[in-house]
Amino acid sequence: EVQLVESGGGLVQPGGSLRLSCAASGFTFSSYSMNWVRQAPGKGLEWVSYISSSSSTIYYADSVKGRFTISRDNAKNSLYLQMNSLRDEDTAVYYCARLNRGIYGMDVWGQGTTVTVSS
Amino acid sequence: EIVLTQSPGTLSLSPGERATLSCRASQSVSSSYLAWYQQKPGQAPRLLIYGASSRATGIPDRFSGSGSGTDFTLTISRLEPEDFAVYYCQQYGSSPQLTFGGGTKVEIK
Repeated sequence: EVQLVESGGGLVQPGGSLRLSCAASGFTFSSYSMNWVRQAPGKGLEWVSYISSSSSTIYYADSVKGRFTISRDNAKNSLYLQMNSLRDEDTAVYYCARLNRGIYGMDVWGQGTTVTVSS
Repeated sequence: EIVLTQSPGTLSLSPGERATLSCRASQSVSSSYLAWYQQKPGQAPRLLIYGASSRATGIPDRFSGSGSGTDFTLTISRLEPEDFAVYYCQQYGSSPQLTFGGGTKVEIK
């Protein structure tokens, strides 16, 4: 079964750090670009970051640039998001999603992990 | 920066009715890079349409997409009870790399 499972969310104080992980299974992880997408409570979807299959190309949304770092370990079939200098507005459910470049759509999503930034 | 504007914000319809959702881009978007997603409460989004008009695997044919340039449409021909959800359009490839619209909620009238 093709699956993505996020972990690492939790409660953190403003200015703190958190590292999210996304474990992939059921497909050749190293062949796919990956994304992080977040959703604040009661709000819409916001793209956060993109990483190509080989990690050679990385993009960030302006709202997280300089604070978040996306990475991957193809040997471990895992995607990561290092989040530093967290702000209240980073509170959200964070999803990892596979980008199918054949169709330019995100065709596999994890169940999400919740990050709450609060003092 | 490409901005996607979805309308209406909320669509109140009855089962069996036709739903027409709009997604307008601030700049031209390649049809190849326009997708639609469905999201139900407490669930992750699900890919419905890619390339503006192609249905993703397992998506019923009552869902259809159309459009080009700056104007795109998602149509649900006859609403089923399970179709009441929030729908998002998304573009890929133009700065920022990936953008979502604000969403349209399809609710039961």
